[in-house]
Amino acid sequence: NAGVTQTPKFRVLKTGQSMTLLCAQDMNHEYMYWYRQDPGMGLRLIHYSVGEGTTAKGEVPDGYNVSRLKKQNFLLGLESAAPSQTSVYFCASRSTSNLYEQFFGPGTRLTVL
Amino acid sequence: GQQVMQIPQYQHVQEGEDFTTYCNSSTTLSNIQWYKQRPGGHPVFLIQLVKSGEVKKQKRLTFQFGEAKKNSSLHITATQTTDVGTYFCTGTYKYIFGTGTRLKVLA
Repeated sequence: NAGVTQTPKFRVLKTGQSMTLLCAQDMNHEYMYWYRQDPGMGLRLIHYSVGEGTTAKGEVPDGYNVSRLKKQNFLLGLESAAPSQTSVYFCASRSTSNLYEQFFGPGTRLTVL
Repeated sequence: GQQVMQIPQYQHVQEGEDFTTYCNSSTTLSNIQWYKQRPGGHPVFLIQLVKSGEVKKQKRLTFQFGEAKKNSSLHITATQTTDVGTYFCTGTYKYIFGTGTRLKVLA
């Protein structure tokens, strides 16, 4: 099992460009999450999903959109990238059990010039 | 809104010394999880605490959940270089992660 995978691993964008980050999990998890982590800081939740076809806003949703068309995939979109969105993006997933263990992907390092 | 603070922000210890990080929430938590993130890596789940006053041990790591379920601690006995990383706590409410404690171990 690959667990949680993220593509791409690195990306450099110019201000105003758009891109989509892909997260895939093969553990049949219902819940999926997108976080951003800025240097020396903790994780901040952008959006999350509690099941296929559903999404919800997290702590810092502005400037991002998400879609969960398939249970195993969770896409994060940036419509018009800004330098403030330079960050490392982590995707995570977990099951619906009482153990709230989140499995994280390796991250995508995004730089917006 | 809810805040989860961790202290200290940084800690440098000599190998073999003990280390403790504290997690404090502004609201009562139904449960708490701890994660470790190695430099350049992704967060990895360590443990979940659910009951008031609960204490759990994993080898040299001891985790404690406060009686009021608003704070928690992680204690590492006799640190090793493999303990280097940032330790985060999180309650499940709105998935707010703590600010993290970055541990450096000097050999």
